[in-house]
Amino acid sequence: DGGITQSPKYLFRKEGQNVTLSCEQNLNHDAMYWYRQDPGQGLRLIYYSQIVNDFQKGDIAEGYSVSREKKESFPLTVTSAQKNPTAFYLCASTGTGGSGNQPQHFGDGTRLSIL
Amino acid sequence: SQKIEQNSEALNIQEGKTATLTCNYTNYSPAYLQWYRQDPGRGPVFLLLIRENEKEKRKERLKVTFDTTLKQSLFHITASQPADSATYLCAPHDQTGANNLFFGTGTRLTVIP
Repeated sequence: DGGITQSPKYLFRKEGQNVTLSCEQNLNHDAMYWYRQDPGQGLRLIYYSQIVNDFQKGDIAEGYSVSREKKESFPLTVTSAQKNPTAFYLCASTGTGGSGNQPQHFGDGTRLSIL
Repeated sequence: SQKIEQNSEALNIQEGKTATLTCNYTNYSPAYLQWYRQDPGRGPVFLLLIRENEKEKRKERLKVTFDTTLKQSLFHITASQPADSATYLCAPHDQTGANNLFFGTGTRLTVIP
């Protein structure tokens, strides 16, 4: 079945450590997205990529980095510069034309906590 | 800046009744608006998309309306069931060029048997 796989489901970060969250899709979608979800807040866009080897900052990109070397993969690195990384991270994808007029397909998230 | 408000954080209704969730947006005019369902610990799942030139969209027991004058979308679940209990997210699209979505904070619906 086609879909988006995020791993790991739970992740713990120590002070000063970078951690990388994996996101893989087999839907042949061009666009991929990373969101952060905190209690009482909507999904906030961290980074997005509309095509391989290109990505753009979203609303809260500080302290995060991404790469898009392959169409099916869009890993997110939470760097030590992100001072409040504890959150639920969601990856999504959509077909060409952007997500405004097409559904986004989401993974089941990675919950990141600080040790 | 754009702002999205969903009517309440939580809504409890009796099984069999119609649930109505509200999404209001300000400071922009989306051409599309989507609704998603999210269960605890899971990613959102797409339910319906409605375009600005569509007043109403239906899918089984779900109905969405889109009033661009009021800047509001209503999401209805008729004959609600306990299995409908979840958080529902409203997501108007972003016209600024990236064609992304803005997500509301969601309304947590509980259907009481």
